Amino acid sequence: KQEVTQIPAALSVPEGENLVLNCSFTDSAIYNLQWFRQDPGKGLTSLLLIQSSQREQTSGRLNASLDKSSGRSTLYIAASQPGDSATYLCAVMTTDSWGKLQFGAGTQVVVTP
Amino acid sequence: SAVISQKPSRDICQRGTSLTIQCQVDSQVTMMFWYRQQPGQSLTLIATANQGSEATYESGFVIDKFPISRPNLTFSTLTVSNMSPEDSSIYLCSVESQQRLDYGYTFGSGTRLTVV
Repeated sequence: KQEVTQIPAALSVPEGENLVLNCSFTDSAIYNLQWFRQDPGKGLTSLLLIQSSQREQTSGRLNASLDKSSGRSTLYIAASQPGDSATYLCAVMTTDSWGKLQFGAGTQVVVTP
Repeated sequence: SAVISQKPSRDICQRGTSLTIQCQVDSQVTMMFWYRQQPGQSLTLIATANQGSEATYESGFVIDKFPISRPNLTFSTLTVSNMSPEDSSIYLCSVESQQRLDYGYTFGSGTRLTVV
């Protein structure tokens, strides 16, 4: 059974610092990995999607890498801003569970002005 | 990518009652997914809803407690039946984003349910 772990569970940084969020998964037979942002009490906003054949994806200040063989993904957020404060979730879709996302518990990020 | 309208955004309900949550998608999708997020926890898949067939439930979830309807390719409902305080959660629906061949997923804004 796929297990997804996110470390750290919480992170607080001053504005301007770079953020590094980690996601690990136990079953490397994935189709893709997706990073989401969740604001308190709200739904999910998709940030980046990495296909299993890709090594990384970039969007603005966000960069996500994927090392499928070692079961790891890292989300980098450059030059953090207070508006980046949220919970960040990673989710994987394994090849034998089409459409079903397995989520990590999330990393709660606070960026202080 | 697909846009999902989810209603209600929040509700406070008495124990023993039922609540029906609606998700409307702006394009036709084959599969819709319903998730639950209990307080302080991550998302757990409840069931997968295909149009024209019974929903497929994950382990720990049953149709009597969470009946799902999928009358067409753009709409689905999830009912939380005979509610107890343990059902207090955020419920979210999800569909494939259908952006090129991304096969990423888009989520509704969620329904925050409190059972008293």
